[in-house]
Amino acid sequence: LAKTTQPISMDSYEGQEVNITCSHNNIATNDYITWYQQFPSQGPRFIIQGYKTKVTNEVASLFIPADRKSSTLSLPRVSLSDTAVYYCLVGDTSFNNDMRFGAGTRLTVKP
Amino acid sequence: GAVVSQHPSRVICKSGTSVKIECRSLDFQATTMFWYRQFPKQSLMLMATSNEGSKATYEQGVEKDKFLINHASLTLSTLTVTSAHPEDSSFYICSASGTSGGYEQYFGPGTRLTVT
Repeated sequence: LAKTTQPISMDSYEGQEVNITCSHNNIATNDYITWYQQFPSQGPRFIIQGYKTKVTNEVASLFIPADRKSSTLSLPRVSLSDTAVYYCLVGDTSFNNDMRFGAGTRLTVKP
Repeated sequence: GAVVSQHPSRVICKSGTSVKIECRSLDFQATTMFWYRQFPKQSLMLMATSNEGSKATYEQGVEKDKFLINHASLTLSTLTVTSAHPEDSSFYICSASGTSGGYEQYFGPGTRLTVT
């Protein structure tokens, strides 16, 4: 299982774009990259998932370079409610995909 | 997205008693369910993985006789904390993956266990 490395914390201001990068040097061919958001005392919430290049949905974009050894979660125009911990996970596509969480990135959005 | 529920959302029990936490996938069949625990300001720690109809696979350091996991159907898994002690107080979260069409896991809202 690929190990992931993220910055422990990041600060931003309302309205800014936030980019959180995750390193996963040992990613395997079958591995997908998934990002989750977690608020205090809640379960993680799925944000976005991708395999290569770029994926975009209504809340975020995910950029994955050709070597797939890293990925960047991009949150456009953050608000105070985006203050949370963001986790990057890497795992394969089988239903036995066990996902061990890294430390995550604690994002604080300031007014 | 798919919905996973947990019950109860919070529970307080006395030391030495057992507590059961239920995890249900409401709108899809969960072939695999995962149990995590999370201490304050820490990341989620995987405790065990369970496949429907078979014994759970526990992570190293997790006592299988203390944390009993049953995944008897494709929509229900239970975690029983036996002979609970104050150090078992934590936030327990389940997740499920299966026939929802995607590869991601869907997480429950978590259960706050406090052992007095």
